[in-house]
Amino acid sequence: AQSVSQHNHHVILSEAASLELGCNYSYGGTVNLFWYVQYPGQHLQLLLKYFSGDPLVKGIKGFEAEFIKSKFSFNLRKPSVQWSDTAEYFCAVTGSSYKLIFGSGTRLLVRP
Amino acid sequence: EAQVTQNPRYLITVTGKKLTVTCSQNMNHEYMSWYRQDPGLGLRQIYYSMNVEVTDKGDVPEGYKVSRKEKRNFPLILESPSPNQTSLYFCASSFSGAQETQYFGPGTRLLVL
Repeated sequence: AQSVSQHNHHVILSEAASLELGCNYSYGGTVNLFWYVQYPGQHLQLLLKYFSGDPLVKGIKGFEAEFIKSKFSFNLRKPSVQWSDTAEYFCAVTGSSYKLIFGSGTRLLVRP
Repeated sequence: EAQVTQNPRYLITVTGKKLTVTCSQNMNHEYMSWYRQDPGLGLRQIYYSMNVEVTDKGDVPEGYKVSRKEKRNFPLILESPSPNQTSLYFCASSFSGAQETQYFGPGTRLLVL
């Protein structure tokens, strides 16, 4: 069965620190990968996605993620976080057109 | 404005009292789905719909029903709510499937006593 693991449940960083959130998935076929973000009081929204091609994907607000097929990973990175990046981040994967599997989420707190 | 709306946003009810959470999108999307979000478990898919009159179970469908009579609406029905259905519920839609960008509603926080 498909599954997504996010190993960091809570992350606390100071502003300007670098961020890397881990995401590993379990699926045997071709996958589409996503990172969604939920800012406090706001809707879930897409941060970035990978379908094919360049495994390094750039998203909004300076975020990027790298798809490493051999490691079944899709880690999210940002070189320098801001207080406004405080949010919950969800990795998601799909290998079909009907089912999207989410990880358990990572709560990021950025201290000013 | 393109959006997914849910109603109500907050609901407190008692065990066994039937309730419906509405979901509506104005983007002419074919694919719609419902998720529940619980601490430490992330979002889990309850039901999805590929188009009008086409619905199917997700990972946690027990205790829930859905219908898709119109393209824009996808209500979630709890025929006999139980306390373990206390959760935060999200509706989402996309043009044609789970492989596309999902547009989420604001969420409905449900407490079943």
